[in-house]
Amino acid sequence: GAVVSQHPSWVICKSGTSVKIECRSLDFQATTMFWYRQFPKQSLMLMATSNEGSKATYEQGVEKDKFLINHASLTLSTLTVTSAHPEDSSFYICSATPGSGASEQYFGPGTRLTVT
Amino acid sequence: AQSVTQLGSHVSVSEGALVLLRCNYSSSVPPYLFWYVQYPNQGLQLLLKYTSAATLVKGINGFEAEFKKSETSFHLTKPSAHMSDAAEYFCAVSKDTGFQKLVFGTGTRLLVSP
Repeated sequence: GAVVSQHPSWVICKSGTSVKIECRSLDFQATTMFWYRQFPKQSLMLMATSNEGSKATYEQGVEKDKFLINHASLTLSTLTVTSAHPEDSSFYICSATPGSGASEQYFGPGTRLTVT
Repeated sequence: AQSVTQLGSHVSVSEGALVLLRCNYSSSVPPYLFWYVQYPNQGLQLLLKYTSAATLVKGINGFEAEFKKSETSFHLTKPSAHMSDAAEYFCAVSKDTGFQKLVFGTGTRLLVSP
């Protein structure tokens, strides 16, 4: 149980275009979802926290107008990278938790974004 | 601010040998500490967690970790490595009192040779 999927697993887009990444909790309802970014040989960096039906809370230094997060249902959150640039190329990972407070996070397999 | 440091980006062991992956933390509040494992093309999987109960925490797949406040450490060990243990391991600390907002270390790749 507690499976989180991401789609696509790998995407290439041209500079200036937007790309949407989906994160789904397959067998539980996720009240909270998190989006992380991972550069090669570096740790996961939390980008934002989203609660179903609410605006996402972004970490310091993350541009909320560039990384649009929508958590419209209890099983789906999307991250849209707008006007992508090569420096946005990275590995994006989502996680989901079924409850607030001390609930375990379940991680998706990640999406590799390459901007050309 | 909370942070974790993982010493060694790569650790190589022989099958059957002791596995020791190091993690030191910095936290301004009593920490919740975690070890995650990531296999290729899979999401991070929780190995074990410390939440201020017993200082020796047992996890899945024979792994365990000991919380040592005096050393600000939470090293991960396994008595006997298996080939299937080869993966990337991440230590993490919670930014607040819970599982929310994790701060991860840079990861350690465990290589197991026959």
